[in-house]
Amino acid sequence: SQELEQSPQSLIVQEGKNLTINCTSSKTLYGLYWYKQKYGEGLIFLMMLQKGGEEKSHEKITAKLDEKKQQSSLHITASQPSHAGIYLCGADPTSSGGYQKVTFGTGTKLQVIP
Amino acid sequence: DTGVSQDPRHKITKRGQNVTFRCDPISEHNRLYWYRQTLGQGPEFLTYFQNEAQLEKSRLLSDRFSAERPKGSFSTLEIQRTEQGDSAMYLCASSHRDSWSTQYFGPGTRLLVL
Repeated sequence: SQELEQSPQSLIVQEGKNLTINCTSSKTLYGLYWYKQKYGEGLIFLMMLQKGGEEKSHEKITAKLDEKKQQSSLHITASQPSHAGIYLCGADPTSSGGYQKVTFGTGTKLQVIP
Repeated sequence: DTGVSQDPRHKITKRGQNVTFRCDPISEHNRLYWYRQTLGQGPEFLTYFQNEAQLEKSRLLSDRFSAERPKGSFSTLEIQRTEQGDSAMYLCASSHRDSWSTQYFGPGTRLLVL
């Protein structure tokens, strides 16, 4: 089964600083998702990457996919307290791309200190 | 609010009791997914429906678990003879045929089995 490892597991940064979260897959990536979760709440979809080298941005958050390394990175520029939460990467484990389910990593907990 | 809704948001029950959760997906979303999330972990896939058909069930879904989506709209997840190990957040998500890959999550139902 596919496993997703996220690093770091937790991160504390000062407001205004940049940060990067990594997600590495044990198997070929056919689709990589990034979600954000506030403690005790549901997941908020951030973006999905499908092609090697693809890069997407949403406000101050940028994600890249490196298919060869089976890895994705999420970069936040000029972090704000509103960025605090748990960031989860997820992958579609099927080569057919049927999107029947998502396999998730264990998450990276981000705290932003004002 | 037109997002995915779940009811109840919290449930405390005694071991051995049955519980039922409800999920209302976004209108016209054909697919509906159930996930389970324990503390410090990412969500784990349980099952999904396309319209009223249950197309896949995870091995995590023991015989005590049953899910239905009788009219292809809302879904229920029932756990019979609850065990302490069932304590978790149960998340529901839905997606539309035009974008299967984007799953929208509800706020979750937090279950505590005493």
